Amino acid sequence: DQQVKQNSPSLSVQEGRISILNCDYTNSMFDYFLWYKKYPAEGPTFLISISSIKDKNEDGRFTVFLNKSAKHLSLHIVPSQPGDSAVYFCAASATFNKFYFGSGTKLNVKP
Amino acid sequence: NAGVTQTPKFQVLKTGQSMTLQCAQDMNHEYMSWYRQDPGMGLRLIHYSVGAGITDQGEVPNGYNVSRSTTEDFPLRLLSAAPSQTSVYFCASSYEGTSGSDEQFFGPGTRLTVL
Repeated sequence: DQQVKQNSPSLSVQEGRISILNCDYTNSMFDYFLWYKKYPAEGPTFLISISSIKDKNEDGRFTVFLNKSAKHLSLHIVPSQPGDSAVYFCAASATFNKFYFGSGTKLNVKP
Repeated sequence: NAGVTQTPKFQVLKTGQSMTLQCAQDMNHEYMSWYRQDPGMGLRLIHYSVGAGITDQGEVPNGYNVSRSTTEDFPLRLLSAAPSQTSVYFCASSYEGTSGSDEQFFGPGTRLTVL
């Protein structure tokens, strides 16, 4: 059973608007969360992370929100750009040695 | 720096054949790992290593072997390939793997098909 779930396989957003990608987890021991971005035929690249002692982390246009009580995190991209079109994976870890990934959400930002 | 390199990029095997997927990094990272990516499943951890001589199992280790004789290299061996091992394989590395601030750097992947 997947411990990290991304229930939306795809998301389409207009350029300039906000993209919100969601991720849910089941293991309450997870205390570190990351988002990765993946283009076709390439490996994932790190985007942003958050530890469980925080509920928000910002890096430029990217903000990750963590709701521990709901076991939910989200990635906000504002404003969305066509170059943001990619597959986004969330990942979680309790031990830093083992990372569990969601199934990914394919974001399409329309010009 | 070349980062994380993987060879080959593509491979087709017949059921029962063995092969080794190569992974190397030139960033002096202690932590290295192997994932497989299947449609609808995301990335699943196969094996990982926290340093030379130390390896451990991930989420889906069956059918795969690893060893870590040097810091730079972390090969993944398929002993007897099965169609269920058709997947895209990613190798990744990070500085320590023991700190939450360690992002993993991924290689470009190996697309494996087992007939």
